[in-house]
Amino acid sequence: NAGVTQTPKFQVLKTGQSMTLQCAQDMNHEYMSWYRQDPGMGLRLIHYSVGAGITDQGEVPNGYNVSRSTTEDFPLRLLSAAPSQTSVYFCASSSRQEAPTDTQYFGPGTRLTVL
Amino acid sequence: AQSVSQHNHHVILSEAASLELGCNYSYGGTVNLFWYVQYPGQHLQLLLKYFSGDPLVKGIKGFEAEFIKSKFSFNLRKPSVQWSDTAEYFCAVNARGSARQLTFGSGTQLTVLP
Repeated sequence: NAGVTQTPKFQVLKTGQSMTLQCAQDMNHEYMSWYRQDPGMGLRLIHYSVGAGITDQGEVPNGYNVSRSTTEDFPLRLLSAAPSQTSVYFCASSSRQEAPTDTQYFGPGTRLTVL
Repeated sequence: AQSVSQHNHHVILSEAASLELGCNYSYGGTVNLFWYVQYPGQHLQLLLKYFSGDPLVKGIKGFEAEFIKSKFSFNLRKPSVQWSDTAEYFCAVNARGSARQLTFGSGTQLTVLP
């Protein structure tokens, strides 16, 4: 199993540009989440999904869209990038079968810089 | 909603010193508790977790943590650190049954001097 994979690893955008961060998992996990990591603030939840076709907002959803058309993929879209979105983005997944521990498995991250 | 506090932002130790990183959480219900580690340039890896039973849990690489319910604490310990333990450590909590609502502390950067 590859686990959780993310592409690209690095990205530089100009203010106002759009892009999609890709996330895929091959563990057949129901739950998938996107976090952003900023210095001194830990990881904050952006959006999450409990299954294909179902998504919901986390702590910091503004400026981001998600969709979940398949169990494997959970892309994160920035429609109009802003410098405040400069961050490291992590995708994570977990299985309902791991309840009650709900351990999440993280991808390698995407480092995004918005100029 | 739950919250997590890590009071030590940066800890510097010499090799063989003992380590204790503090973690306190606030939540009124039943929680799962985690410590994740992030080595330089790498993604988060699970160090250990607690969900029930013995409040002293052992993880990988000689780490352990103790859940003290009365203090809402889940401190991470290691009796003798190594240079390779240099990393950022995150405490996290989620409400039982809510895989999506993982709340992280702000992290503690551990630097171990050879």
